[in-house]
Amino acid sequence: DAKTTQPTSMDCAEGRAANLPCNHSTISGNEYVYWYRQIHSQGPQYIIHGLKNNETNEMASLIITEDRKSSTLILPHATLRDTAVYYCIAPKAAGNKLTFGGGTRVLVKP
Amino acid sequence: GAVVSQHPSRVICKSGTSVKIECRSLDFQATTMFWYRQFPKQSLMLMATSNEGSKATYEQGVEKDKFLINHASLTLSTLTVTSAHPEDSSFYICSARQGARQPQHFGDGTRLSIL
Repeated sequence: DAKTTQPTSMDCAEGRAANLPCNHSTISGNEYVYWYRQIHSQGPQYIIHGLKNNETNEMASLIITEDRKSSTLILPHATLRDTAVYYCIAPKAAGNKLTFGGGTRVLVKP
Repeated sequence: GAVVSQHPSRVICKSGTSVKIECRSLDFQATTMFWYRQFPKQSLMLMATSNEGSKATYEQGVEKDKFLINHASLTLSTLTVTSAHPEDSSFYICSARQGARQPQHFGDGTRLSIL
């Protein structure tokens, strides 16, 4: 997997956009970037993934820089239920096994 | 869509017991399923990858005779922890994906406690 680097933790205000950065400077051309989150005592939840283009779905938006060395997950209107550990993962193309690092512990505050 | 069901959600049993955990993809066919383990305050660690109809591939350090994996159909994989001991107590989580580029979808995990 390409090594990814995320902040250990961040606080966000309820109702505001939450911008979660991820560096993946060693990513290769055919490696996707996947975002998952894990709410306490639950299995991880898939959020979004992308290769080059920005992506948006009902949960979030994913902005990938043109050089693909970093990306930002945007939660447009954070709610208290978005409090979780967020993982940015760039698996090798072959096999696509996910390697979970430490992630970013996001706390949404009222 | 893309729902993965894991059962049971919690197991408490005596040392020496074998425990079977089921992972089902409810609304898609999963060519590949994965089994993870998560200890308290740690991240998920991949244990093994299983493809339907073939033997599972285990990660380094995971004993295949201890953790038996069966992926007999495109919607079901099972993990059996044989002769479980207290050090096997952990949160076991499965995931499934439909194809190589498709995202993995996770079950809600099984909390295993060995007394």
